[in-house]
Order: sequence, then C-alpha cells, then structure tokens
Amino acid sequence: DVKVTQSSRYLVKRTGEKVFLECVQDMDHENMFWYRQDPGLGLRLIYFSYDVKMKEKGDIPEGYSVSREKKERFSLILESASTNQTSMYLCASRDVTGSHEQYFGPGTRLTVT
Amino acid sequence: ILNVEQSPQSLHVQEGDSTNFTCSFPSSNFYALHWYRWETAKSPEALFVMTLNGDEKKKGRISATLNTKEGYSYLYIKGSQPEDSATYLCASVDRDNYGQNFVFGPGTRLSVLP
Repeated sequence: DVKVTQSSRYLVKRTGEKVFLECVQDMDHENMFWYRQDPGLGLRLIYFSYDVKMKEKGDIPEGYSVSREKKERFSLILESASTNQTSMYLCASRDVTGSHEQYFGPGTRLTVT
Repeated sequence: ILNVEQSPQSLHVQEGDSTNFTCSFPSSNFYALHWYRWETAKSPEALFVMTLNGDEKKKGRISATLNTKEGYSYLYIKGSQPEDSATYLCASVDRDNYGQNFVFGPGTRLSVLP
C-alpha cells in the first residue's frame, strides 16, 4: 500500500512565524502536491513538484514556498504565517503511469493565531 | 482553470436509504474524472477513476456513471450505512494538465443517520 505521511496532524502557530509542513511518500512517485482545503471550497493546489528540485506554482502559491531535495520528501513552507493561512493542508503523491491516481496524506490542520 | 461543481453541498439520509449526488465539470478537453471519499480524520481515499463517456463503475454498494459530452458524473450509494458518512470529492483532469494537477469540486458531505 502507498503511504503518504505528514509530519503533524495539528499545529498552532503565531502570526509571523515561519512554518514547515513535511510530507513523505514511500512509493517512489515523481509527482507530489500540496493542497489546502477550506469550508465550501474544493481542494486548491498550492504548489506541485514533478521531480527532485523541480517545483511549479499551483493556483494559490502566494505566501508559500516549497522544497524538494529528495524524491520522497516535499516540504511546504510558510515564510511568515498569517491568520488567513489557517486551513487544512493536504499532501499528495501521484503515480504517473496507469490511472494517474493520487494518494493523500492524512492532512495537517494549521491554526495561525 | 476548470470549474468543477458538486451538488448538493450536504445531505442527510437515514440508514438504508439510497442516495446520489452530482459532479459537473467542463466537457471540453476532458481527460479523466476521479471520485474520492474523505472520512473525518482520515486521508481521502480513491473510489473511481473514469475516462470514457458512458463509463459505469461499481465498488460494493457505491457506483458511478460518467457523461463526458454533457460534463457530469453521478455517484450512487445503495442502502446507505453510517460508515458511508464522509465527504465525497470529485476531481476533473483535462488534457492540458493531465500530468500535473487535478481540479477538485467543493465536495458533498453525506451524513447517514442510524
């Protein structure tokens, strides 16, 4: 079974703090993604990566950056957390052959106060 | 950016009822439609991947149909059980971005009351 893990299930941070969200997948997938989910909205893509050290902006990249130094790990960074970044963050990795199915981590609920 | 819609936003049914909900997506340039079930405190779990017009897929009591010409997919649950309570997400992928990103609908939150 594919496993995608995220470093924290719940985080509380203060405005202005730098925040790191870590994601690790164990299936050697090239593609990895960071989404946020807010009530009434679909999962919105923040950033994605299709290879080590490669990254592409998604639909809502402002206020975020990412790092992919190793194939299995994709980090989301909030350089200076703000209250409007309070959200559920989901990481996913994708098999680029066959069904292109995405596998999700359990999510990190981040609260910025 | 594709616009993917789901209806209803939420649904409450009694145990044993059958139910269905809708995912609408742009029909032009269609590549694939994915359905996920997302239970509270768990990861979204893939249910179906559908690519062909007229596709019909089934997993236990859950089935889905796809109409790519008019841009919609239905998800059906027969004889709902409390363990079916979850948010059901659909995601559309078009030919321009099939290797990169999905566009998700806002989800339908289903509550099955015992």
